[in-house]
Amino acid sequence: DQQVKQNSPSLSVQEGRISILNCDYTNSMFDYFLWYKKYPAEGPTFLISISSIKDKNEDGRFTVFLNKSAKHLSLHIVPSQPGDSAVYFCAASSGAGSYQLTFGKGTKLSVIP
Amino acid sequence: NAGVTQTPKFQVLKTGQSMTLQCAQDMNHEYMSWYRQDPGMGLRLIHYSVGAGITDQGEVPNGYNVSRSTTEDFPLRLLSAAPSQTSVYFCASSPLGNAEKLFFGSGTQLSVL
Repeated sequence: DQQVKQNSPSLSVQEGRISILNCDYTNSMFDYFLWYKKYPAEGPTFLISISSIKDKNEDGRFTVFLNKSAKHLSLHIVPSQPGDSAVYFCAASSGAGSYQLTFGKGTKLSVIP
Repeated sequence: NAGVTQTPKFQVLKTGQSMTLQCAQDMNHEYMSWYRQDPGMGLRLIHYSVGAGITDQGEVPNGYNVSRSTTEDFPLRLLSAAPSQTSVYFCASSPLGNAEKLFFGSGTQLSVL
């Protein structure tokens, strides 16, 4: 049973426009959420995170929104750039000391110049 | 900066063979972990360690052994390889106080024939 779901395997966006990547979770014990970015033939790299006590976290062009009642989070990239083309993984953990991240299947973002 | 180093990058095994995937980090991170990535499955946690001499199982530990004799190294052993273990393996590390923000190696692509 998938506890972290990324229902869109792929997304194409024009350069300069907004990219919105979505993630849903089912485990109500999750209270910390992260996005990782992965280029081909490389390991994932940490992008941005959000704690369940917040509903928004921003870092430059990247903003993550959390809707706890809907068990939904989204990553907004504005403006999108060709270098943002990668696979984005949503991940969740159930608190300090859990040491276990649960990942979604990923969404492949293509930013078209 | 070396970060997390995984060797080898590619490996082909025959069913029943054994091998060790190496992982070393130079960031003095207490937490280390192994993930596997399969097509359409995201990343799944195999084993993790919160310090030298301490290891624990993740989501998919069967068929794999780990040990942590030093802070720097966290090898993953396949005792008798099976075709179901064909996957890309990622090692990751992080400081204990920020265990979710993982630093990943570049991965080992393993094929078991």
